[in-house]
Amino acid sequence: GENVEQHPSTLSVQEGDSAVIKCTYSDSASNYFPWYKQELGKRPQLIIDIRSNVGEKKDQRIAVTLNKTAKHFSLHITETQPEDSAVYFCAAFNTKTSYDKVIFGPGTSLSVIP
Amino acid sequence: NAGVTQTPKFQVLKTGQSMTLQCAQDMNHNSMYWYRQDPGMGLRLIYYSASEGTTDKGEVPNGYNVSRLNKREFSLRLESAAPSQTSVYFCASRVSGGTFTGELFFGEGSRLTVL
Repeated sequence: GENVEQHPSTLSVQEGDSAVIKCTYSDSASNYFPWYKQELGKRPQLIIDIRSNVGEKKDQRIAVTLNKTAKHFSLHITETQPEDSAVYFCAAFNTKTSYDKVIFGPGTSLSVIP
Repeated sequence: NAGVTQTPKFQVLKTGQSMTLQCAQDMNHNSMYWYRQDPGMGLRLIYYSASEGTTDKGEVPNGYNVSRLNKREFSLRLESAAPSQTSVYFCASRVSGGTFTGELFFGEGSRLTVL
């Protein structure tokens, strides 16, 4: 089955700096790589995702890059703001089958210092 | 369109008591999931259901049972609650198969305390 590793576990940046979180996956059949943001006391919510046929995707200040050969993908947040402080989770799975477990990485706690 | 609805939102149990967490989705999704999240920890998969009538174990299934009652509903049962099961439980669902993106939609969570 899929195994997802995520680094770092905690990240502290100054407001306005960039933040990068990296995930690695093990199953080459995985074709979908989402990133979820979870604010304190709230449910996880999708912020950006990428499919295996794309190398990079951007949405305003956030971007995700995928390296299928190395089996890793990264979340990039530029011009960080205090409201970016949250826990971020990555996942990797195969959307073509409903029988694929959806396993999340252990999470990264991001703190943006004003 | 309520999305994913979980009940109850809060529950306190004594060790050895049983209870069922209910989850329902109105998005016609075929796959449903139960996760637990301990304080400061990540999301660990307990059980999932790829389609109506099927269920499979996730990463941490011990002490739990599930029922996929129909396409909308997926319940999680604790037969004999233990303090180690104190956690926040999230239900999630997604469309699977074909060309859909596979985004997981989460419920608001159920906070369970076992004394």
